[in-house]
Amino acid sequence: SQTIHQWPATLVQPVGSPLSLECTVEGTSNPNLYWYRQAAGRGLQLLFYSVGIGQISSEVPQNLSASRPQDRQFILSSKKLLLSDSGFYLCAWSVIAGGAQYFGPGTRLLVL
Amino acid sequence: EDQVTQSPEALRLQEGESSSLNCSYTVSGLRGLFWYRQDPGKGPEFLFTLYSAGEEKEKERLKATLTKKESFLHITAPKPEDSATYLCAVQGPAGGTSYGKLTFGQGTILTVHP
Repeated sequence: SQTIHQWPATLVQPVGSPLSLECTVEGTSNPNLYWYRQAAGRGLQLLFYSVGIGQISSEVPQNLSASRPQDRQFILSSKKLLLSDSGFYLCAWSVIAGGAQYFGPGTRLLVL
Repeated sequence: EDQVTQSPEALRLQEGESSSLNCSYTVSGLRGLFWYRQDPGKGPEFLFTLYSAGEEKEKERLKATLTKKESFLHITAPKPEDSATYLCAVQGPAGGTSYGKLTFGQGTILTVHP
């Protein structure tokens, strides 16, 4: 069966510091991968998606970037965090571009 | 642009009191409508996919239905463990530069009291 991992689970970072969040998927090959952010009490906002190694598309221009160095690894990064980057970050995968997306446990980021 | 509106924002029920959650949507060619359950501090858990008007899916006390403009999540005789936020999402047609993006609603927070 397929599983998706995210780490760390929680992170407290000062403004201006760098960020690296990692997501890995097990039990499937060539998944589509997604990064979402969920602000408190709000819906999910798609940040990035990837259909293959090195292929990244951005939905919302911002302070963040994403990379996919391996088939089942997706990384969310920032060079300098802003207060507004605080939130709950979720990674998801799907078998194909259509169809259900399956979410990881999330990373709670607090920027102070 | 695809849009999803969920109502009510919050719903409080007594254990055993059946009710429905609504998801209204606009999309240029629905490819799929998805329901998720999200517990506090966790990632959303996939529940159902509905593809065409008239389709129904069931899982334990939950039943999802779909029309051309909205979907309902019916909860029959709920229990306290059904308390969670329920999210609805729509997916438009894939093709060209599209990849089948999911557009989410804001969710309905369901609380079931014993």
